[in-house]
Order: sequence, then C-alpha cells, then structure tokens
Amino acid sequence: AQSVTQLGSHVSVSEGALVLLRCNYSSSVPPYLFWYVQYPNQGLQLLLKYTSAATLVKGINGFEAEFKKSETSFHLTKPSAHMSDAAEYFCAVSGLGAQKLVFGQGTRLTINP
Amino acid sequence: NAGVMQNPRHLVRRRGQEARLRCSPMKGHSHVYWYRQLPEEGLKFMVYLQKENIIDESGMPKERFSAEFPKEGPSILRIQQVVRGDSAAYFCASSPPGVTYNEQFFGPGTRLTVL
Repeated sequence: AQSVTQLGSHVSVSEGALVLLRCNYSSSVPPYLFWYVQYPNQGLQLLLKYTSAATLVKGINGFEAEFKKSETSFHLTKPSAHMSDAAEYFCAVSGLGAQKLVFGQGTRLTINP
Repeated sequence: NAGVMQNPRHLVRRRGQEARLRCSPMKGHSHVYWYRQLPEEGLKFMVYLQKENIIDESGMPKERFSAEFPKEGPSILRIQQVVRGDSAAYFCASSPPGVTYNEQFFGPGTRLTVL
C-alpha cells in the first residue's frame, strides 16, 4: 500500500522568498514520486518526477525536489518565489509499471507581494 | 501533439439524470486513468483502463459508476442517477505503453454540478 502526506494545507511566502512544500510518502515497493501543479479551474501539470536516476530532481519553473529515502521525504523547493507560482501543489506516489497515482491532499501556495 | 482532451468541460445535471464524461488520450497513449477531485480535496483514483479492458477499478463506487475504453473512440465515464455528492471535478489522465515510471498526463477536467 502507498500513501502520501503533505504537511501544511496552506503555505504563504513573500515574493522572492524560499518556497518549501513538504511531502512524506509511504510505500512497500521502491517508489516513483511526482509533483504536480494545478492552477485554478485547470488540470494538473507535471513539475518534476523521481524515477531513481538521481536523488536531486530539477523540474520546470525553477522548482526542484530531493528524494531522501531515510526520511521517506520528497520536499519541493524553489529559491525565489514569483507571483505566478501561486497555485495548488500535489505530491503523488506510484509503484513500478502502469499503476494508479496516489495523491496527497495538496498544498495551496500563496505569494505575498 | 495534442494533449489529453476532455469534454464537456462543465456539465450540469439534475438529481437522477445520467452524466457521461469523455476522455481522448494523447496520441500513442494506450493507458487511461480517471480521478475524482472533491472540493478542497486531493485527487482520488477511480479506474485504470486499457483498450477494451478494465485493469483496476478499485476506486470506483460499487453502484451507478461505470467506465469503458472501447477499441475505437474516447474513454467514457458514466454516472447513472446522479446525486449531489457526485458534484466534483473529474480528471482523465493517459500514459504511453511500456514505461516503467508511470508518468501520467492530465486533461483539463470535467466539472460536474448536480442540482
């Protein structure tokens, strides 16, 4: 069984500040991990994915995430927040092969000017 | 390469009516997934299909819900006798055959409102 916990349903940062969105996972098999972003009334867009090739993963829009097996974490970071980063962010886990994604409950990121 | 297409984008139904949601996967993708997003919640898996086969329906409600992915045409998620609790955003995702890490591409969703 797999599960994802995102700590903090709402995160607010100032423009230019560090963004840190937390994700912890549970998986009985080696996990594949994903971060998706959802803008209001839109679908999900893939930010980045961990597929065991490298523990530090770089994605689009300046985001990156680090896979830490010992901490079962896959936190999302961005050094400097931009107003356009305001959105809902979802962490998801999957196992090997074509299987369902298990999502966390999401974190709503607000950027203050 | 067009992305995942879903229609309609918005659907309004009265209690007891049927809702049909359509999903056309990306070109070359043979795996289709349906997810439901209730207000203020994350996405919950409903069903995973390949052409003419349901592979995993562990997230589908036992009654009123069905899904298909025929040999020709889009995947259909059908909800019979809708109730207010069915109001949600329904997302379809697709993935290509043969990948090991299950990257899924999402459509824009269908927002169902039950009056």
